[in-house]
Amino acid sequence: QQQVKQSPQSLIVQKGGISIINCAYENTAFDYFPWYQQFPGKGPALLIAIRPDVSEKKEGRFTISFNKSAKQFSLHIMDSQPGDSATYFCAAESSGAGSYQLTFGKGTKLSVIP
Amino acid sequence: KAGVTQTPRYLIKTRGQQVTLSCSPISGHRSVSWYQQTPGQGLQFLFEYFSETQRNKGNFPGRFSGRQFSNSRSEMNVSTLELGDSALYLCASGSQNYEQYFGPGTRLTVT
Repeated sequence: QQQVKQSPQSLIVQKGGISIINCAYENTAFDYFPWYQQFPGKGPALLIAIRPDVSEKKEGRFTISFNKSAKQFSLHIMDSQPGDSATYFCAAESSGAGSYQLTFGKGTKLSVIP
Repeated sequence: KAGVTQTPRYLIKTRGQQVTLSCSPISGHRSVSWYQQTPGQGLQFLFEYFSETQRNKGNFPGRFSGRQFSNSRSEMNVSTLELGDSALYLCASGSQNYEQYFGPGTRLTVT
């Protein structure tokens, strides 16, 4: 059972455009939603994260939008740059579970073309 | 502050052998989690240790095991290796606010 569904699988965006990646979750116990960026040959790097008490969080060009009722959250990358080309993973975690366990989406391969 | 370190970075093993991977978390972090990353299954949770105790375990066979030492360093062991165990094994260091920081991973190839 895939508890976090991520789309699209791949995305091509022009330089300067907006990249949007969507995720949906099923487990209502999830209360921590991070996004990770992974370059080839590297481990995932924590990009930005949100908790359900806010509907939006912005850090630089990266914004998370969160819709608790729809159980969906998305990552927006403004002014996308070729250096943003990477694989992005959404994840979810339940802090009430008493342990750290991230459930990941399948990933989105983003290509930003000049 | 130093990041998460994993050793070795690359390993080639033969079916039936066993392997031990090591992870040193960020200084001050007491939680270490392990994940397996493959193209087909993506990132899957193996287990999590906190203060030398396994708090949670994913859906993997008993051939996968781990431990954590008093200095928070962790090791994971895979016995009787199978071809399907070829993957990138990632260690994550957990902070008190549930943020998890990944190391560069160990690329295991089983032939």
